[in-house]
Amino acid sequence: EDQVTQSPEALRLQEGESSSLNCSYTVSGLRGLFWYRQDPGKGPEFLFTLYSAGEEKEKERLKATLTKKESFLHITAPKPEDSATYLCAVQEWDNAGNMLTFGGGTRLMVKP
Amino acid sequence: SQTIHQWPATLVQPVGSPLSLECTVEGTSNPNLYWYRQAAGRGLQLLFYSVGIGQISSEVPQNLSASRPQDRQFILSSKKLLLSDSGFYLCAWSDRLWGVNQPQHFGDGTRLSIL
Repeated sequence: EDQVTQSPEALRLQEGESSSLNCSYTVSGLRGLFWYRQDPGKGPEFLFTLYSAGEEKEKERLKATLTKKESFLHITAPKPEDSATYLCAVQEWDNAGNMLTFGGGTRLMVKP
Repeated sequence: SQTIHQWPATLVQPVGSPLSLECTVEGTSNPNLYWYRQAAGRGLQLLFYSVGIGQISSEVPQNLSASRPQDRQFILSSKKLLLSDSGFYLCAWSDRLWGVNQPQHFGDGTRLSIL
């Protein structure tokens, strides 16, 4: 059974204080790892897909990296508008429905 | 561009009442469709998914059901709601392209409160 664990559950940062969020996964064959951002009362917004170990993707202050067992979402010099819950999800091969298994999320709060 | 609509945004229902939540997708055809439930402060739990009209797969046994009467319409229903059905319900879609990693795209959800 696929398992996805995100840590920490909550993270408070000062504006400009860089940090990383962790997503550890157990899957029989990784087809893709997805990062989403979710604002309160809204649906998750797609950020990145990572396919293989060593891959990196960047978008503004966010950079996602992938190893064989975990993914990191690095946030460089965060701003208050980066405050949100960040979710990661894995998709395994032999998955006809493109189904995802989600972690519990990391709630990020950036103080000005 | 593709858009996904869910309604209502908020719903308060008494225990034992029926439920119907609707989701429609525009700008794409033959999408995979999904219903999730998210408990407060928790991750997403997949409830149902569909790869075509009339094709529904259930991931979690419960008193909920789903239907897909049209290609881009997905409905979540219940005949009798329980207190435990409270939560944030999200609909999502993805392109059905075999062999290509396709992300899911989410609607803005329905906040369901059972009294």
